[in-house]
Amino acid sequence: DQQVKQNSPSLSVQEGRISILNCDYTNSMFDYFLWYKKYPAEGPTFLISISSIKDKNEDGRFTVFLNKSAKHLSLHIVPSQPGDSAVYFCAASESGTASKLTFGTGTRLQVTL
Amino acid sequence: GAGVSQSPRYKVAKRGQDVALRCDPISGHVSLFWYQQALGQGPEFLTYFQNEAQLDKSGLPSDRFFAERPEGSVSTLKIQRTQQEDSAVYLCASSSYMDRGQIYFGEGSWLTVV
Repeated sequence: DQQVKQNSPSLSVQEGRISILNCDYTNSMFDYFLWYKKYPAEGPTFLISISSIKDKNEDGRFTVFLNKSAKHLSLHIVPSQPGDSAVYFCAASESGTASKLTFGTGTRLQVTL
Repeated sequence: GAGVSQSPRYKVAKRGQDVALRCDPISGHVSLFWYQQALGQGPEFLTYFQNEAQLDKSGLPSDRFFAERPEGSVSTLKIQRTQQEDSAVYLCASSSYMDRGQIYFGEGSWLTVV
């Protein structure tokens, strides 16, 4: 049973436009959410996180939105740059699980010129 | 070192062979994690150490998988009698926080069982 779902396996966006990556979860015990970025042959790199007490967190070009009632989060990248082309993983953890993360299957973002 | 270091980067094992994968976490990091990532999937949790104590091994898929961190720094993931379904990337991660916090991943050890 996939507790964290990323239903779009791929996304293509033009440089300068907004990229929106979506993530849904089913476990209501999740209270901390993270986005990781992964380039080929490298390990995932932390991008941004959000606690369930917030509904928005912003860091430069990256903003994560959390809708707890819908069990949905999204990552917005504005403006998108070619270097953002990578696989993006959504991850979640439960309180008290010391960063044991449950990951989605990833969305491959391609930013075109 | 500057980041999480894993070795070997690539390993081809014959079915039935034992393998050992090593992880050298960021210096001073208390927490260490192992994840398994199959092709086209996200990483899946295997086990978690806090210093030398293995606090959670709920993700280890079978008793052929064993992990240790005897001195609270370097960790080894051992897979006995490898099978084809063990083929995956094995990711090690470490964190300086005992609870939540950003965890840093290594580049992974790519295991192919033939």
